[in-house]
Amino acid sequence: AQKVTQAQTEISVVEKEDVTLDCVYETRDTTYYLFWYKQPPSGELVFLIRRNSFDEQNEISGRYSWNFQKSTSSFNFTITASQVVDSAVYFCALSYQGGKLIFGQGTELSVKP
Amino acid sequence: NAGVTQTPKFRILKIGQSMTLQCTQDMNHNYMYWYRQDPGMGLKLIYYSVGAGITDKGEVPNGYNVSRSTTEDFPLRLELAAPSQTSVYFCASSYSLLRAGEVDEQYFGPGTRLTVT
Repeated sequence: AQKVTQAQTEISVVEKEDVTLDCVYETRDTTYYLFWYKQPPSGELVFLIRRNSFDEQNEISGRYSWNFQKSTSSFNFTITASQVVDSAVYFCALSYQGGKLIFGQGTELSVKP
Repeated sequence: NAGVTQTPKFRILKIGQSMTLQCTQDMNHNYMYWYRQDPGMGLKLIYYSVGAGITDKGEVPNGYNVSRSTTEDFPLRLELAAPSQTSVYFCASSYSLLRAGEVDEQYFGPGTRLTVT
């Protein structure tokens, strides 16, 4: 069965610190996709990134970067020079049986000024 | 483009009442989904649909029903509401799979906060 574990329930940092959010997944599928979503205090879900299981290249988008390591079944998310606006709950998700997603429990990030 | 819209935004139900949560998308997406999010938890899939007339159960379907008569609309019906159904409900949609195994990102609606007392 598929599973996504985000072991960090809450993280608190001071503005401008770097922070890494961990995501570990379990699947027997050979082809799958991994996602990160952001849920700010307003409650909506914002798509951040999609990664195919065959593409292990790290990705950088501005202050955000993602490290996908198939060998350790991890897809970690790093925010560089965090800002107060980064405060949100971040979810990692794994695809299964086509387009369905299973979500981790989320990591609540609090960035203090 | 309004994206995915959900109504109502908030609702309080008494135990045993029924209601329908509405979801509409204007992106011509074939795939649509209903999730629930309990406090401090991730999202759990209730039902999904790969096209008009086709629906299937997700992880937590008990107590819910869906229908998909058009590409745009995917209503979620709660029959005999119970306190355990107090949650935030999200509807989402995505592009049809372009190739076998291709999974696109899901676009989410703003959510419906439901309380059953």
